[in-house]
Amino acid sequence: LAKTTQPISMDSYEGQEVNITCSHNNIATNDYITWYQQFPSQGPRFIIQGYKTKVTNEVASLFIPADRKSSTLSLPRVSLSDTAVYYCLVGDPYNQGGKLIFGQGTELSVKP
Amino acid sequence: DTEVTQTPKHLVMGMTNKKSLKCEQHMGHRAMYWYKQKAKKPPELMFVYSYEKLSINESVPSRFSPECPNSSLLNLHLHALQPEDSALYLCASSQGLAGGENEQFFGPGTRLTVL
Repeated sequence: LAKTTQPISMDSYEGQEVNITCSHNNIATNDYITWYQQFPSQGPRFIIQGYKTKVTNEVASLFIPADRKSSTLSLPRVSLSDTAVYYCLVGDPYNQGGKLIFGQGTELSVKP
Repeated sequence: DTEVTQTPKHLVMGMTNKKSLKCEQHMGHRAMYWYKQKAKKPPELMFVYSYEKLSINESVPSRFSPECPNSSLLNLHLHALQPEDSALYLCASSQGLAGGENEQFFGPGTRLTVL
């Protein structure tokens, strides 16, 4: 069962790089790691997904070490509009004993 | 169209009422999901439909009854709910099954209040 752990909250300033780490010690071989962003009273929105090493898209990078027991979401040059809750999601409910579990979420506050 | 729509946006119901939540997507996705989210908590998976068949039920009480009439629609029928069932109910869809290399697209949710 891939339980995930994230920091409860983080503060940053506009223009800074923010790194949010998620621990998932029991990640299974078939599990992908997915990050979502959620604003109040809205559904989560996909940010990035990876399996190993590094993935980059137009909004973020995802770093996954070789043992895959953690992952780090990197947001370059954050703005006020990046203030939101960020969730990592790990799991495959279709594998025996597998579950699709969101981390507890990291509340990111970006200040001017 | 990359949108998942949910109706209604808000719903208030008594413990003896019967109501339904509706979710719709036109992305051709074959997996659809219901999640429950309490305030300041992560979404919790309730049900998964794959190719219009219920494939996962995360031990959800029978007062919640899902239905997938076709590949674009997902309903959640509610009956005899309790006040602790008040939450944001989120619908999501994905091309393949989440957990693998498939992102989920979430709707805006239905805010449910049970009196």
